Amino acid sequence: GAVVSQHPSRVICKSGTSVKIECRSLDFQATTMFWYRQFPKQSLMLMATSNEGSKATYEQGVEKDKFLINHASLTLSTLTVTSAHPEDSSFYICSASRPGANVLTFGAGSRLTVL
Amino acid sequence: TQLLEQSPQFLSIQEGENLTVYCNSSSVFSSLQWYRQEPGEGPVLLVTVVTGGEVKKLKRLTFQFGDARKDSSLHITAAQPGDTGLYLCAGVVVGGTSYGKLTFGQGTILTVHP
Repeated sequence: GAVVSQHPSRVICKSGTSVKIECRSLDFQATTMFWYRQFPKQSLMLMATSNEGSKATYEQGVEKDKFLINHASLTLSTLTVTSAHPEDSSFYICSASRPGANVLTFGAGSRLTVL
Repeated sequence: TQLLEQSPQFLSIQEGENLTVYCNSSSVFSSLQWYRQEPGEGPVLLVTVVTGGEVKKLKRLTFQFGDARKDSSLHITAAQPGDTGLYLCAGVVVGGTSYGKLTFGQGTILTVHP
């Protein structure tokens, strides 16, 4: 089955630093990946659609300069939280689907804590 | 306004009880998925329903898709502590631009006490 890997699973950083989270499709190529944010005991909120070789499409209210997305290859998308602040602390999850399949596979998530 | 209204948001029951979680919308969905998520993990797909009126069973879990494809339910029979988790419904609105752009319900946190 399709496997999506996220790294790191947990990261703690100081306020003002930037943090990069990677999302990899391990056994398939993904032209499109999705990034979500999830607060404790809440549902997933779609942040942006990551498109291989082109700019990401951001959802309304998501700051593109704050959350930089790069999809440089068919198996890797990265989310960089720039100048992180405590309010950016959250669980970030990515997802991707195998071409031709109508099923999304989610990564295990990355917990960001900004001190 | 929430496109997919999921209820209840919290459910705390005893082992052996039955429960139903609902997802309702005024929009028509081309497909609807149910996921289960454990703390610190990503959501895991339980089922996808695509046909109005469809019923799917997964052991003690029964999923229904409304005839008009605007609503869905998840029924768990004889709940067990291992069923504890966050249950999410998510769907693709008819006419959506891409399959992966799922709309999620608010989630239901289920706690099954031994």
